[in-house]
Amino acid sequence: AQRVTQPEKLLSVFKGAPVELKCNYSYSGSPELFWYVQYSRQRLQLLLRHISRESIKGFTADLNKGETSFHLKKPFAQEEDSAMYYCALQETSGSRLTFGEGTQLTVNP
Amino acid sequence: NAGVTQTPKFQVLKTGQSMTLQCAQDMNHNSMYWYRQDPGMGLRLIYYSASEGTTDKGEVPNGYNVSRLNKREFSLRLESAAPSQTSVYFCASRGPYKGELFFGEGSRLTVL
Repeated sequence: AQRVTQPEKLLSVFKGAPVELKCNYSYSGSPELFWYVQYSRQRLQLLLRHISRESIKGFTADLNKGETSFHLKKPFAQEEDSAMYYCALQETSGSRLTFGEGTQLTVNP
Repeated sequence: NAGVTQTPKFQVLKTGQSMTLQCAQDMNHNSMYWYRQDPGMGLRLIYYSASEGTTDKGEVPNGYNVSRLNKREFSLRLESAAPSQTSVYFCASRGPYKGELFFGEGSRLTVL
């Protein structure tokens, strides 16, 4: 069965500091991984997907199959980055998307 | 274009009561989902519907039933509510790219 783990429930950094949100997964197939974000009083929304190798709002995430990780990084955190972040894994064949426990990021001024 | 619409936004039930959460999407998506969000446990899949006419269990289906009424609508029913079902419930539909879900605003349910 697929599983996504986010070891940090809470993460607090200062503005301008680097930030890394950890995500580990277990899946027997070839994973497709995503980061979702939920800002205060907004809907949960897709932030980025590993297959696109994109940078969104300064965030990047690299899939490391050897370490089964998909950590989210940003070199200089901003206060507006404060939000709940979820890592998610899409099964290769089928429709299920499995989420991790979430990490609440707070960026302090 | 409203996206994904859930009703009601808030509901308080007594143990044993029943209720239905409604969800509709206007994006012509095939797949729809129901998740529950609990502190420290993230989002857990209750049921999903890969296409009109099909439904499948997710991680935590016990105590729930679903109906995919048509392509637009996917409802979640609690037949006999229990305090353990106190949660925030999210409906979502899947866009053209795998893993890209569009979420509703959520429904906060309290069971006393």
